[in-house]
Amino acid sequence: QQQVKQSPQSLIVQKGGISIINCAYENTAFDYFPWYQQFPGKGPALLIAIRPDVSEKKEGRFTISFNKSAKQFSLHIMDSQPGDSATYFCAASFFFSGSARQLTFGSGTQLTVLP
Amino acid sequence: SAVISQKPSRDICQRGTSLTIQCQVDSQVTMMFWYRQQPGQSLTLIATANQGSEATYESGFVIDKFPISRPNLTFSTLTVSNMSPEDSSIYLCSVVYRDHTGELFFGEGSRLTVL
Repeated sequence: QQQVKQSPQSLIVQKGGISIINCAYENTAFDYFPWYQQFPGKGPALLIAIRPDVSEKKEGRFTISFNKSAKQFSLHIMDSQPGDSATYFCAASFFFSGSARQLTFGSGTQLTVLP
Repeated sequence: SAVISQKPSRDICQRGTSLTIQCQVDSQVTMMFWYRQQPGQSLTLIATANQGSEATYESGFVIDKFPISRPNLTFSTLTVSNMSPEDSSIYLCSVVYRDHTGELFFGEGSRLTVL
């Protein structure tokens, strides 16, 4: 009930291409879905997040698509750049009383963008 | 931007010893969490650090092994007790800020190697 399944495990994309990472969750009570970006030796940094009342959220080159009925959400990185090479984690949580609660993370996707 | 300071940033320890990791944040937070990230793996929640009371531990983590303190709204410690090589991981402090939109932020982690 608490799992978040993420795919692919690794992804190689050419510069300028589109990177797509997918996640699926089981617990229908989850209502907050963030994506984190982690560079080697650094802590995860919040990239973009979505609540289930919208189907898509875009911030710059990063877009989250959310399918509530399928219990799936995905991250699209448009015009991928070598600087985007990092590990990406999806996560899910409960959003209660104005705050996110403890996150359940996906297994991570190591993205490599070739120059 | 949020400032979450963890000390030490890295350490090498001997089997059987204990190490205390500190997390200091720059403003009041509503929630603090401790996560573990084993090499090349995803993040697993250890516990929620509760101010002035015992931490709430996740399944598989116990207070005797990972005692946690949170004496005030901006500071917490995690101790890894009686360490073994299996405890070699990155330990991450995570917080929800009172004046943000309830999102979780992470420190840069404390990389622990147990010989």
